[in-house]
Amino acid sequence: EAQVTQNPRYLITVTGKKLTVTCSQNMNHEYMSWYRQDPGLGLRQIYYSMNVEVTDKGDVPEGYKVSRKEKRNFPLILESPSPNQTSLYFCASSPYTLNTEAFFGQGTRLTVV
Amino acid sequence: AQTVTQSQPEMSVQEAETVTLSCTYDTSESDYYLFWYKQPPSRQMILVIRQEAYKQQNATENRFSVNFQKAAKSFSLKISDSQLGDAAMYFCAYRSADSGNTPLVFGKGTRLSVIA
Repeated sequence: EAQVTQNPRYLITVTGKKLTVTCSQNMNHEYMSWYRQDPGLGLRQIYYSMNVEVTDKGDVPEGYKVSRKEKRNFPLILESPSPNQTSLYFCASSPYTLNTEAFFGQGTRLTVV
Repeated sequence: AQTVTQSQPEMSVQEAETVTLSCTYDTSESDYYLFWYKQPPSRQMILVIRQEAYKQQNATENRFSVNFQKAAKSFSLKISDSQLGDAAMYFCAYRSADSGNTPLVFGKGTRLSVIA
């Protein structure tokens, strides 16, 4: 089954404790990205990757890191989480063909206390 | 930068009736793609319908159809014969046809309630 898998689905952590949210897709897509969803703000792009070893900032990259060492994986790293990073996070992938939709993971609800 | 505006934070509809969700966008590009995504309480983002800007014909998917007005930069979603399972948050999204970074630019969403 074609899918984007995020883990964990829920995470509660403390300020400053490094964490990683994993994202993996099995569709051989070139393009992957991370979004955060906040009430009243919709979804905003954090980082994206157009292929292996090619990453760049989206609209709200502060406080986040990513890596793309393999085509299928695109982890999101919070080196020192803060409460303002409490949010719902989505990983998405799509082929380089632009007229297709993005495929989303199930979402990760992160709470930083 | 492109922006997407959904002016209705909340809408409600009676079961079996028709409802229209509004979406407008701002862009200087001539080639792009527009999407409606549904987010039920499970939080999963589900594609409802897609429209290519170069196509004049409005997209339809079963009970879902769009009214795409390119000159007015409007992309509304019509849900016919509404069902209880249609209750969700709906997001309108824009994607450039540029070959560089092509993120989805989302509106803030419209929460749809379906009344039995």
